[in-house]
Amino acid sequence: SAVISQKPSRDICQRGTSLTIQCQVDSQVTMMFWYRQQPGQSLTLIATANQGSEATYESGFVIDKFPISRPNLTFSTLTVSNMSPEDSSIYLCSVVGTNSYNEQFFGPGTRLTVL
Amino acid sequence: AQTVTQSQPEMSVQEAETVTLSCTYDTSENNYYLFWYKQPPSRQMILVIRQEAYKQQNATENRFSVNFQKAAKSFSLKISDSQLGDTAMYFCAFMKGELTFGQGTILTVHP
Repeated sequence: SAVISQKPSRDICQRGTSLTIQCQVDSQVTMMFWYRQQPGQSLTLIATANQGSEATYESGFVIDKFPISRPNLTFSTLTVSNMSPEDSSIYLCSVVGTNSYNEQFFGPGTRLTVL
Repeated sequence: AQTVTQSQPEMSVQEAETVTLSCTYDTSENNYYLFWYKQPPSRQMILVIRQEAYKQQNATENRFSVNFQKAAKSFSLKISDSQLGDTAMYFCAFMKGELTFGQGTILTVHP
């Protein structure tokens, strides 16, 4: 399995500001994803972070609001821009393992509170 | 599009007892993967067990086992000899390309 770290683990931000979340993996992986988990809810896929090209966003998520970078095969960032209280969620990074089972492994998540 | 349904928002069980969490899904695919993830209060998502759709044999991982009924599109998780550390939110997930999660079931294990 891959070991995934995220920074920051939590933050409290003012509305209108932006926060960049970092995701670091201990091995090179092809597939990286960003999810949002609103309080008490399931996980919703925001986008697939593609190395060397623009991220692929799911319906309801746009690049201007959630810009993503993927400079190499072990690192990605997600920025939550112009935040509002509705953006208060846990944001999780995940990667697909290198075995044949397509298992996804998740980072510890970043708990964001927007005031 | 695939959908995953967990009809039990909350479940509770006594320590050392057995509990079964339900999951159904809807797909027109024939080959896919199914997973159960556990998310304790620490919020770390932990893979509990996986099942390949082409395998008829139910997956087992120590105290965790599944009942996979492909025709019925059902994938339940059985936890035997429940432990206090099993207290968590459990998500059923379907994978064909991307991962689709169910709504989750909060499991509480009581001493």
